[in-house]
Amino acid sequence: EVQLVESGGGLVQPGRSLRLSCAASGFTFDDYAMHWVRQAPGKGLEWVSGISWNSGSIGYADSVKGRFTISRDNAKNSLYLQMNSLRAEDTALYYCAKDPANYGDPPFSYFDYWGQGTLVTVSS
Amino acid sequence: QSALTQPASVSGSPGQSITISCTGTSSDVGGYNYVSWYQQHPGKAPKLMIYEVSNRPSGVSNRFSGSKSGNTASLTISGLQAEDEADYYCSSYTSSSTNVFGTGTKVTVL
Repeated sequence: EVQLVESGGGLVQPGRSLRLSCAASGFTFDDYAMHWVRQAPGKGLEWVSGISWNSGSIGYADSVKGRFTISRDNAKNSLYLQMNSLRAEDTALYYCAKDPANYGDPPFSYFDYWGQGTLVTVSS
Repeated sequence: QSALTQPASVSGSPGQSITISCTGTSSDVGGYNYVSWYQQHPGKAPKLMIYEVSNRPSGVSNRFSGSKSGNTASLTISGLQAEDEADYYCSSYTSSSTNVFGTGTKVTVL
């Protein structure tokens, strides 16, 4: 059974940093692309960032480019999101999501499994 | 990276069919067959309902179907049931090697 468990969320002041983690199990982690998707309270889904199976392709939404960094450790079956210079508008539930895209092109496709999310609140 | 456009709300009576549209551009919906649809009930994580325009994952009811014409994709729910009441989002891969979601549609079963 595929399981994705996010952690690392919490209350943080504007301008500070936070690192999210996603622990994956139930599938061969290093075969697949992974993503972070967020949802602000009462709002829709927003794709944040994606990383291919071998970290060779990485993409960011314009709203986080230059502030957030996605990474993965295939030896630890883990996905990360380093969030710097946080703003109030980054307040959201952050989901980790698996992508069935593996070695081919394009590097990303869609989201077949989702975690339950970790809440990030940016406020003074 | 503009969000794909969906109607804010769609409603129907039990047993009826409804269709949700998802309009993008030739750089996303129109350029790739990586259009997918997600159902989200309140307080729950999204669930994949349709992938690659028209394919259903195992376990998803055949009352859900997807299609695409040009830059617009569509999700049709036939035989509408009370449990179908939820928010629905489309998504597409883009020419910028990113993904983008739609604005979301609230489905109400009357």
